[in-house]
Amino acid sequence: EAQVTQNPRYLITVTGKKLTVTCSQNMNHEYMSWYRQDPGLGLRQIYYSMNVEVTDKGDVPEGYKVSRKEKRNFPLILESPSPNQTSLYFCASSLGMPDYNEQFFGPGTRLTVL
Amino acid sequence: GQQLNQSPQSMFIQEGEDVSMNCTSSSIFNTWLWYKQDPGEGPVLLIALYKAGELTSNGRLTAQFGITRKDSFLNISASIPSDVGIYFCAGHSTSGTYKYIFGTGTRLKVLA
Repeated sequence: EAQVTQNPRYLITVTGKKLTVTCSQNMNHEYMSWYRQDPGLGLRQIYYSMNVEVTDKGDVPEGYKVSRKEKRNFPLILESPSPNQTSLYFCASSLGMPDYNEQFFGPGTRLTVL
Repeated sequence: GQQLNQSPQSMFIQEGEDVSMNCTSSSIFNTWLWYKQDPGEGPVLLIALYKAGELTSNGRLTAQFGITRKDSFLNISASIPSDVGIYFCAGHSTSGTYKYIFGTGTRLKVLA
């Protein structure tokens, strides 16, 4: 089944404790992206990747890191999480240039930073 | 940066009614996409628009890409309870990057 998977689905952590949220897709997609969703703000893009070893900042990259060492995986790293990073996070992927291809979203990761 | 403003923010409607929502941008977009998010899930694409003036339907859904390339609307006809959810417009930035911009969402609640 074609899908985007994220782990964990739920995470409660404390300020400053490094964490990684994994994202994997099995559709051989080139474009991958991370978003955070907050009430009233919609979805805001954190980072995106056009292909392996090619990443770029979205609109809200501060406090996050990503890497794209393999085509299928695009982990999101929070080196020192803070409470303002409490949010619902989505990973998404699309076939290629985002202009012409729909993005497929993972199920989401709900992160709480205490 | 580019922003997308959606209206209304939320709406309650009776089952069977038609629904209209729109999205406006402060600058030009090359594509407009409409997504729906069901509770507890990620967004799913409903309709994609690629040309100014384009009108596209998907079942009971109709969307149009505004002539000015700065707006789009989504209509849902004869709403049913499963139309409940959050509807997002989205577009691809024209600023020379490959960012995706999403609107703030319209939360739809259908009263049976």
